Amino acid sequence: AIRMTQSPSSLSASTGDRVTITCRASQGISSYLAWYQQKPGKAPKLLIYAASTLQSGVPSRFSGSGSGTDFTLTISCLQSEDFATYYCQQYYSYPPGLTFGGGTKVEIK
Amino acid sequence: QVQLQESGPGLVKPSETLSLTCAVSGYSISSGYYWGWIRQPPGKGLEWIGSIYHSGSTYYNPSLKSRVTISVDTSKNQFSLKLSSVTAADTAVYYCATAAPHSSGYYPSYFDYWGQGTLVTVSS
Repeated sequence: AIRMTQSPSSLSASTGDRVTITCRASQGISSYLAWYQQKPGKAPKLLIYAASTLQSGVPSRFSGSGSGTDFTLTISCLQSEDFATYYCQQYYSYPPGLTFGGGTKVEIK
Repeated sequence: QVQLQESGPGLVKPSETLSLTCAVSGYSISSGYYWGWIRQPPGKGLEWIGSIYHSGSTYYNPSLKSRVTISVDTSKNQFSLKLSSVTAADTAVYYCATAAPHSSGYYPSYFDYWGQGTLVTVSS
């Protein structure tokens, strides 16, 4: 299986901060990576796919970059509604299939 | 807009089979897309269980493959999950979701529409 490692596992930030989350794949996955936002008690919400393509309706303060094994999700100006847990997910091939990172919780400082 | 709704027992006994159904509205399963299941143990991360295409082709997480069956019922516009021989480790919120077709092959990619999730507890 392709392992996805996110860092940090949690971070504290203030409204207006620029936040960067990293996701590393255990092998090259080209640009087959998605990012999700999950708030407590809710289903995940797709933010970005193909490493850098913003899903329709997602604010432009979210951006993604990277290819191969190293990827980043950046929130350019953190808003109060952005405090949540973020997951990356690779979809490089089947088999072996789809895997998620362990998550990064963005908390209020 | 695609809407998905999970249903099924909230409590399952150890060694029994967990069965869930996902009702789809706003889109015909027969029109395409991959239909899948993802789970999340309390306080933990997400795990893909498997996906199915409307034709019936299935794609399973290798770690769960021996216990998982996903099926589709196009006449009812719904798809289902069966997970056999459950243990406490299978306690989780189970989500159904749609996955866009992969750009370079015939398998699922990222998940763009999700159900609200349903908690299934495995306990005697």
